[in-house]
Amino acid sequence: AQSVTQLGSHVSVSEGALVLLRCNYSSSVPPYLFWYVQYPNQGLQLLLKYTTGATLVKGINGFEAEFKKSETSFHLTKPSAHMSDAAEYFCAVSFGNEKLTFGTGTRLTIIP
Amino acid sequence: DAGVIQSPRHEVTEMGQEVTLRCKPISGHDYLFWYRQTMMRGLELLIYFNNNVPIDDSGMPEDRFSAKMPNASFSTLKIQPSEPRDSAVYFCASRYTGEQFFGPGTRLTVL
Repeated sequence: AQSVTQLGSHVSVSEGALVLLRCNYSSSVPPYLFWYVQYPNQGLQLLLKYTTGATLVKGINGFEAEFKKSETSFHLTKPSAHMSDAAEYFCAVSFGNEKLTFGTGTRLTIIP
Repeated sequence: DAGVIQSPRHEVTEMGQEVTLRCKPISGHDYLFWYRQTMMRGLELLIYFNNNVPIDDSGMPEDRFSAKMPNASFSTLKIQPSEPRDSAVYFCASRYTGEQFFGPGTRLTVL
């Protein structure tokens, strides 16, 4: 069965520091991978996605993620955190079928 | 496009009452998903439709929950009778290819 694991339910970083949110998946076939962001009292919004092709994917708001097949990982990064990045982040995986399987989420706090 | 529209945005009801949540997907999208989000269980897929036909309802918690999609522009999720443990945020999402687009959610409180 497909699954995705997000390491760290809470991450705090200082404003201007590197943001690193971790996501690992389990699969025997090539996955499609997604990162979504959820701001308070809102729905989920797509940050970026990997389907095929280039393994380094750039998304909105300065975020990017790299698909590493050998490590079964799809970690999300941003070089310099901004206060507006405070939100909950979800990694999700799909294997070509219609469903997405979501991780448990990581709440990102930005320290002024 | 206005995006995925859900109504109501907030619903407070008493245990035992029927609750109906509504969703209008993005025009042209042929998949529609219903999710439930709670602190304890995170984001759970309840059911999804393709071309108005239910494909997988294995996530529906029990018979008190039912979902319909009578046409391409409307879906409902009904809970009858409602219980306090149904309190959650319910999201609807739609897609054509690739990513799912989420609505703003309905916050349900069952007293």
